[in-house]
Amino acid sequence: AQTVTQSQPEMSVQEAETVTLSCTYDTSENNYYLFWYKQPPSRQMILVIRQEAYKQQNATENRFSVNFQKAAKSFSLKISDSQLGDTAMYFCAFMKQSTGNQFYFGTGTSLTVIP
Amino acid sequence: GAGVSQSPRYKVAKRGQDVALRCDPISGHVSLFWYQQALGQGPEFLTYFQNEAQLDKSGLPSDRFFAERPEGSVSTLKIQRTQQEDSAVYLCASSPLGTGDPLGNEQFFGPGTRLTVL
Repeated sequence: AQTVTQSQPEMSVQEAETVTLSCTYDTSENNYYLFWYKQPPSRQMILVIRQEAYKQQNATENRFSVNFQKAAKSFSLKISDSQLGDTAMYFCAFMKQSTGNQFYFGTGTSLTVIP
Repeated sequence: GAGVSQSPRYKVAKRGQDVALRCDPISGHVSLFWYQQALGQGPEFLTYFQNEAQLDKSGLPSDRFFAERPEGSVSTLKIQRTQQEDSAVYLCASSPLGTGDPLGNEQFFGPGTRLTVL
């Protein structure tokens, strides 16, 4: 079974500062994908960033980057230059390569950006 | 709008009532997923369609839950004899391809239907 753990239920950050959201996962799979999704109050989930487990290089998307530590099964999200629009729930998600594209989500971290 | 839409956005049901939740995926998308998101939790997989075929229903919590996608586009999630534990947000997602490399097959989520069972 796959499990995804987000140990920080709530976090806050000052506007323009940097914040890191943590995520760990447990799997016996060797090939898989990891994702961070953002869920603003409107509740529409939006893909933030994704990482293939076979790639050692950490993914980056503008102000968003990840620190992927495969041996430690850790996949943290760093948000640089935080903006008010970053306020949302953030979900870490795991997907096996071997089966259909079904997500396993963590319980989420509620991020508030303070002006 | 070209996104995934769901209706109704909010549904209140009395315990024991049947409900039907609708998902309109992005036009042409092959794959369609249903997720259940309880309060304070992450979404949990319910079922998956590839066109009209329901390929995986392993996440449906009981035989009171039934999903269909008869023409390979719109999908309906039906819950019979609703219980209080069914209260949750039900999310639908669609992706352009069938199963395969997920990096070329991004899932796009709808806004969800919030079901409250009294």
